[in-house]
Amino acid sequence: SQQGEEDPQALSIQEGENATMNCSYKTSINNLQWYRQNSGRGLVHLILIRSNEREKHSGRLRVTLDTSKKSSSLLITASRAADTASYFCATDPSNTGNQFYFGTGTSLTVIP
Amino acid sequence: EPEVTQTPSHQVTQMGQEVILRCVPISNHLYFYWYRQILGQKVEFLVSFYNNEISEKSEIFDDQFSVERPDGSNFTLKIRSTKLEDSAMYFCASSKWTGVPHEQYFGPGTRLTVT
Repeated sequence: SQQGEEDPQALSIQEGENATMNCSYKTSINNLQWYRQNSGRGLVHLILIRSNEREKHSGRLRVTLDTSKKSSSLLITASRAADTASYFCATDPSNTGNQFYFGTGTSLTVIP
Repeated sequence: EPEVTQTPSHQVTQMGQEVILRCVPISNHLYFYWYRQILGQKVEFLVSFYNNEISEKSEIFDDQFSVERPDGSNFTLKIRSTKLEDSAMYFCASSKWTGVPHEQYFGPGTRLTVT
C-alpha cells in the first residue's frame, strides 16, 4: 500500500502550545500535501511540499519532508482553539497517475 | 475565491436505490475526481476524469458506479443500486492540470446514508 500513516492518531494541547503531527509513507513521491478537515466538513488544502524541498513555511505552519525516511511533519505554532480539526497528509506517488493517497489523519484538539 | 461545490450536503436513500451526487468543479479546471471517506476511515480515491472520459479508477469503483459530465459545469457520480456499505462522505475534487506538482481542490462533501 502506498497510503500514508499519521501519528499521533489524536493530540490534545493547550492554546498557545505548538502541535506537531507526523506522516510516513511507503513509496517515492512527487510531492506531499497536508489537508485539514473540520468535523463533518470538506478537506481544506494547507500546504504542498515538493519532493526536492526539505522545509516549507506558510503563516503558522511549518512542514518538513525527509524523503530518505519517507516522512513528513506538520508543525502548527502558537495553536488556537480554531485549529481544532483533523489533519491529513496526502501523497502523490511518482509511479502512479493522478490519484492522491491519504493518511489516516491526526485529530487535533486545542483546549482554550 | 473560486471553490468546488457539491449537492446535496446530505442524502439519505434506501438500499437498492440509485443516487446521483452532484459537483460543480472550479470553472477553469480540467481534471475531476471523486473520493470517499467511510466514517472514521481514510479518504480513498474512486475515480479521475478528464476530457469526458475516465482516466483512472480504483478497485472500489466497480460497475455500480459511473461518472458523467452532463454539461459544461456539472460533474456527477451515480451509484446504481446502493448498498449499506456505500454509506460514506463523498468528496469531489478538481485540478487545473495533473503535472507535478498539482493541487486538488476539494468540495465540502456529500454525506450519503444508505438505510
